[in-house]
Amino acid sequence: ILNVEQSPQSLHVQEGDSTNFTCSFPSSNFYALHWYRWETAKSPEALFVMTLNGDEKKKGRISATLNTKEGYSYLYIKGSQPEDSATYLCASGGADGLTFGKGTHLIIQP
Amino acid sequence: DAGITQSPRHKVTETGTPVTLRCHQTENHRYMYWYRQDPGHGLRLIHYSYGVKDTDKGEVSDGYSVSRSKTEDFLLTLESATSSQTSVYFCAIRTDTPNTEAFFGQGTRLTVV
Repeated sequence: ILNVEQSPQSLHVQEGDSTNFTCSFPSSNFYALHWYRWETAKSPEALFVMTLNGDEKKKGRISATLNTKEGYSYLYIKGSQPEDSATYLCASGGADGLTFGKGTHLIIQP
Repeated sequence: DAGITQSPRHKVTETGTPVTLRCHQTENHRYMYWYRQDPGHGLRLIHYSYGVKDTDKGEVSDGYSVSRSKTEDFLLTLESATSSQTSVYFCAIRTDTPNTEAFFGQGTRLTVV
């Protein structure tokens, strides 16, 4: 069983500020790293799926990097907006299922 | 939204009774998964399916069984519900294209009293 860790557990950020948080995962037998955004009362929605060491992906103001050799990924949000408030999940694994971290709960304060 | 529907969305049941949750997809995706979400834990894999009648256990499979008799339906059965199975259950689907994202259903909140 993989051990996926996310930090911090929760984060309060002022609107307009940029922020980032971390996902760490076992670097051995790595297959893919997923980031999901999960709003309250909704289902998780995919942000990125990353596989290559050094890869960086971007979607609007959100971007992510991946280091498979040391087993970590960063998620960055630039110029936070209230609609960015959500729990951000990372997960590692392949077709036989994902192992999820506990998430980072992000609250954007106006 | 991906065509994935869970039913029921909410259920209260008594300890010792059998319960079946249904996941239905209209995407013809090969892989289907059942996860549970509990406070203090990440989503944890219960069982998954890689095709019709092809299933395997996940991290927390004890007390659960699954069946997939057709591509679009993946059933999760709690053979004799216990209070520890009170949880929110999520179904997810994926294509067989490598390294693609999972699409999640809206969840089923199950309470065992």
